[in-house]
Amino acid sequence: KNQVEQSPQSLIILEGKNCTLQCNYTVSPFSNLRWYKQDTGRGPVSLTIMTFSENTKSNGRYTATLDADTKQSSLHITASQLSDSASYICVVSGRTTSGTYKYIFGTGTRLKVLA
Amino acid sequence: DGGITQSPKYLFRKEGQNVTLSCEQNLNHDAMYWYRQDPGQGLRLIYYSQIVNDFQKGDIAEGYSVSREKKESFPLTVTSAQKNPTAFYLCASRGAPRDYGYTFGSGTRLTVV
Repeated sequence: KNQVEQSPQSLIILEGKNCTLQCNYTVSPFSNLRWYKQDTGRGPVSLTIMTFSENTKSNGRYTATLDADTKQSSLHITASQLSDSASYICVVSGRTTSGTYKYIFGTGTRLKVLA
Repeated sequence: DGGITQSPKYLFRKEGQNVTLSCEQNLNHDAMYWYRQDPGQGLRLIYYSQIVNDFQKGDIAEGYSVSREKKESFPLTVTSAQKNPTAFYLCASRGAPRDYGYTFGSGTRLTVV
């Protein structure tokens, strides 16, 4: 069964600290993995996208890693800011037998950054 | 600027009423989607459309209906048959058939009063 699991479910850190969010998946065949940031009451916005051959992708203070062998990804946030408070959603896409793509969403990690 | 617009941002529905959520995109994307998001849960697919005048049921289509008369528009109607409609609704589009990611709208929060 295609699944995407994220951990932790929620996280509270102090401003300026680093944190790492995890995403494990069983989607096969794998196409790519995306991390989205969703502010409260808003739609998700893409942070990074990683294909099978990519190990690391950065977007400012956000760095995503991918281990396609273990089917694990992480999102590392450096020097957190209050504006990083949001939900972070991992989405894995895989190709179907008909040639289309399916997208499996994780349930997200809710991050709260405190001053 | 290209994007995807959802309206209204907040919507209140009386029990027994049908309401329609608007979704418009100017990205020239072929595929459009409606998702429902409940607190503490992942996004659940309601309906999707890969092309004009065609749409498919997602995982939780009961109590919802859609139309795709224009490429730019994919409205969602929440009918009285949907017994628990209070949720956050997200519309998304994608440049199919390649594996382009979603562009999401800003969402509509529907509340039953």
